[in-house]
Amino acid sequence: SAVISQKPSRDICQRGTSLTIQCQVDSQVTMMFWYRQQPGQSLTLIATANQGSEATYESGFVIDKFPISRPNLTFSTLTVSNMSPEDSSIYLCSVVKGGEQYFGPGTRLTVT
Amino acid sequence: DQQVKQNSPSLSVQEGRISILNCDYTNSMFDYFLWYKKYPAEGPTFLISISSIKDKNEDGRFTVFLNKSAKHLSLHIVPSQPGDSAVYFCAASGLGSARQLTFGSGTQLTVLP
Repeated sequence: SAVISQKPSRDICQRGTSLTIQCQVDSQVTMMFWYRQQPGQSLTLIATANQGSEATYESGFVIDKFPISRPNLTFSTLTVSNMSPEDSSIYLCSVVKGGEQYFGPGTRLTVT
Repeated sequence: DQQVKQNSPSLSVQEGRISILNCDYTNSMFDYFLWYKKYPAEGPTFLISISSIKDKNEDGRFTVFLNKSAKHLSLHIVPSQPGDSAVYFCAASGLGSARQLTFGSGTQLTVLP
């Protein structure tokens, strides 16, 4: 299995600011994903982040809004830029290990 | 367009009885299906999976059934326990393993003591 931690666990931010979310894994993994869960909705994949390459974004998500870093095989960051209330969500980091996908505890973001 | 659908947002079951959670999908390219359980303030936890080459997979109290012709899968929990109360997400992948998952909207299961 994989143990994943995220920082911060929650934050309240003002409109127009940016927040960087950190994801740390207890072992080296190739594939890392960032998901968003808006209130009352399903988990939606934002992007796939593989070490040594540019992140691949899903339809509806762009790098300018959600820049991602993946400096090594155990760490990644997701930045939510120029936030609006519509960005209020839980953001989850996820990794694939041993053929299964594991999730971090999530970062609950509220934008006022 | 929702490719994975969980039409029941909530389900209540008496302790000791069977819980049946349902999931439908529309994408014929999906060949790997998973169930995740999520408690409040925690990330989803992998529960059980099934490949499209099987129609049943069992792990203790949890059994997943896959009906490919109907594009339907279900999770059975027998017997249900109060600790099973959580949100259950159905997920699907077209890559033969748990990558780039498409999730359903979840079903809140409440097991009543």
